[in-house]
This record gives sequence, C-alpha cells and structure tokens, in this order.
Amino acid sequence: AQSVTQLDSQVPVFEEAPVELRCNYSSSVSVYLFWYVQYPNQGLQLLLKYLSGSTLVKGINGFEAEFNKSQTSFHLRKPSVHISDTAEYFCAINSGNTPLVFGKGTRLSVIA
Amino acid sequence: DGGITQSPKYLFRKEGQNVTLSCEQNLNHDAMYWYRQDPGQGLRLIYYSHIVNDFQKGDIAEGYSVSREKKESFPLTVTSAQKNPTAFYLCASRSSGGPQETQYFGPGTRLLVL
Repeated sequence: AQSVTQLDSQVPVFEEAPVELRCNYSSSVSVYLFWYVQYPNQGLQLLLKYLSGSTLVKGINGFEAEFNKSQTSFHLRKPSVHISDTAEYFCAINSGNTPLVFGKGTRLSVIA
Repeated sequence: DGGITQSPKYLFRKEGQNVTLSCEQNLNHDAMYWYRQDPGQGLRLIYYSHIVNDFQKGDIAEGYSVSREKKESFPLTVTSAQKNPTAFYLCASRSSGGPQETQYFGPGTRLLVL
C-alpha cells in the first residue's frame, strides 16, 4: 500500500520569510510525485511534479521541491512568501494505473 | 477554454433525499475521479473511472453511486444511505498517457444537509 504523510497540518510564516512544507511517502515501487495548491473554496491546481531526472523541480509561483529517494521525501520550498500564498498545499504520489494518493494537506498562513 | 465544470456550486439535501452532482470535462480525458474533502482529512477517493461504462470503488464508496455513459461526463449521486454527506466534493480527470500525467480538478461542489 502507498501512503503520503505531510508532517505539519498548519504552518504560519511571516511575509517575505522562507517556508518549507514537508512531505514523506511510502511505496514499494517507484512513484511520481506532485504538489497541488488549493485556495479557499476552489479546486486543486498543480504546482509542480517530479517524474525523473534532476531531483530539484521548479514550479509555478516561485515554488520548488526536492526529491530525496533515500529519505523518501519531497519537500516544498519558497524563499520568500507573499500574502497571496496563503492556501492549503497537498502532496500526492502515483504509480501504475492507480489514482493519486494524497496527504492530508498543510495549511500555510502568511502573516503580514 | 478546456476544463472541468462542476455544478451546482452549492447543493442542499434534505433527510432521505438523493442528490446528484454534475461533472463535465472537455479535455478529452479517459480517466475521471470523485473525491470528498473534509477539514483536516485531505482528499478521499469515492469512485473512479478509466473508461466509458466502467468504474471502480474508491476508499469511501458506501452511500454513493456513479455512472459513466459518456466520456465527458461522470455524475455522482449521494444517496440517502450516506449518513454524513456534508462535505466539499471535487471531480478530477486525467489523460490516459499514464501515471505521470497531471490530474486536473474542477472547482468543487459544497453539499450541505438541511
């Protein structure tokens, strides 16, 4: 069975400070990894995904994530957050023909 | 514009009533999914379909039913057997190119019980 653990349910951070949202996964096979963002009362939007190659992946809105196979992690980072980054962030994995497996989400609150 | 539409945006259900949530996509995607979202619980898979006229139960299918008669449509019925239906429901789709393909989401339907 596959699973995704997002280690922090809520992360408050001051505007213009850096942030890291942590994601660990468990799988017996190789997986593809995704980060999605959800703004209030909206659907999910893809931020970035790791398929293969360079372990550092750049996404939209200045976010990036690093895949670490030995630690089975895919942490999301941004060097300087804005008020508009306040949202819920979901890490997800996929392999084969199965649906995405999501973590429970991390609520990022940016404080002015 | 290509995308996924869900309607209605808000839906109210009375006790003992079945309600149907609509999901339509014009992305020409083969796979479609229904998720339920509750605060602090992330997204839980209700049903999914990889091809017309075929669908599989997800992790929390009890009290729900679906149909997939057309490629572009995947309606979800919340039956009276679902005792706690209040939640945010998200529909998604993905092309058949494989698990590396991006899953796209609709804007969601919020279901409330009167």
